[in-house]
Amino acid sequence: DVKVTQSSRYLVKRTGEKVFLECVQDMDHENMFWYRQDPGLGLRLIYFSYDVKMKEKGDIPEGYSVSREKKERFSLILESASTNQTSMYLCASSLWAGASYEQYFGPGTRLTVT
Amino acid sequence: QKEVEQNSGPLSVPEGAIASLNCTYSDRVSQSFFWYRQYSGKSPELIMSIYSNGDKEDGRFTAQLNKASQYVSLLIRDSQPSDSATYLCAVNRDNNNDMRFGAGTRLTVKP
Repeated sequence: DVKVTQSSRYLVKRTGEKVFLECVQDMDHENMFWYRQDPGLGLRLIYFSYDVKMKEKGDIPEGYSVSREKKERFSLILESASTNQTSMYLCASSLWAGASYEQYFGPGTRLTVT
Repeated sequence: QKEVEQNSGPLSVPEGAIASLNCTYSDRVSQSFFWYRQYSGKSPELIMSIYSNGDKEDGRFTAQLNKASQYVSLLIRDSQPSDSATYLCAVNRDNNNDMRFGAGTRLTVKP
């Protein structure tokens, strides 16, 4: 079974704080992703990484950065948290399933910025 | 136009009935299609994938794909209260990692 874990299920931070969200996968997947999910908007891709130290911007990278120093770990960083970054953050990793990549999600981190 | 569109629901069906969830997508080059189930407060769980036109069955679930109409659906037979969740449709262009998600359809199965 694919196992993706995230460091926190719930997090409350203050405006202006630097926030680290960590994601770890144990399946040696090359590709990892960070999404945010908001009601009515679905999942939106923030950043993804296809290899160690490699990163690509997704649809909404503003206000975020990422770090991938080891293959199994992908971190999302909010440099200066703002209230509009209150959301559910989902990490995923993907594997090649023969015909396509399939993405598997971690449990999510619900972040509240006050 | 959204890339992946779903009716937000809620869709309500009685226990034992067939639930039909629909999804349309805008990019004709899309190659692979997925259905995720998401319980309230939880993360999405992959339940079905389909890559070619026609039907694909897995237990009580059947995915249907029509690339000409840019339409994919999920049928849940003998619906159970435990099927109550939001179902996300996802579309992957060119079989790479560019996955686009719909906003989801909320399904309620009433006992």
